[in-house]
Amino acid sequence: DQQVKQNSPSLSVQEGRISILNCDYTNSMFDYFLWYKKYPAEGPTFLISISSIKDKNEDGRFTVFLNKSAKHLSLHIVPSQPGDSAVYFCAARYSGGGADGLTFGKGTHLIIQP
Amino acid sequence: KAGVTQTPRYLIKTRGQQVTLSCSPISGHRSVSWYQQTPGQGLQFLFEYFSETQRNKGNFPGRFSGRQFSNSRSEMNVSTLELGDSALYLCASSVAGTTGNTIYFGEGSWLTVV
Repeated sequence: DQQVKQNSPSLSVQEGRISILNCDYTNSMFDYFLWYKKYPAEGPTFLISISSIKDKNEDGRFTVFLNKSAKHLSLHIVPSQPGDSAVYFCAARYSGGGADGLTFGKGTHLIIQP
Repeated sequence: KAGVTQTPRYLIKTRGQQVTLSCSPISGHRSVSWYQQTPGQGLQFLFEYFSETQRNKGNFPGRFSGRQFSNSRSEMNVSTLELGDSALYLCASSVAGTTGNTIYFGEGSWLTVV
């Protein structure tokens, strides 16, 4: 059973426009959510995170929104740049007991077109 | 400050052999987690170590094991390798398992089983 779902395997956005990547989760125990960006043959790079006590977190061009009642989060990238082309993973964690295991979605391949 | 370092970066093994992968976390980080990435299954959590103790474990067979040393460095071992073990193995480190704690990944070790 997939607890974190990214239903769009790929997304194509024009340079300068907004990219919106979506993520849904089923486990209501998750209390911390992270977004990672990954290029081929490299490890994931941390982008931005959000705690379940918040509904929005911003860092430069990246904003993450969390809707707990819908168990949905989204990553907004404004404006989109060519270097943003990569696979984006949504990850969730339940911090009970202090453990750090992340549950990942399968990723969305973002393609920024010139 | 140096990031998460994994060795070796690439290796090829034969079915039935065993392999050991190494990870040096970011200085000051005491939690080390391991993940497997395959095209079909995406990123899956293997296990997490904190202060030399396994604190969390994913759904993998007993052929997959790990350990952590007193300096927080970690190794993972896969015995009796199968073709399906071919994957990118990622190590991640964090300060400790608390909410709001960011997890950073290494570049990964590419394992090919032939």
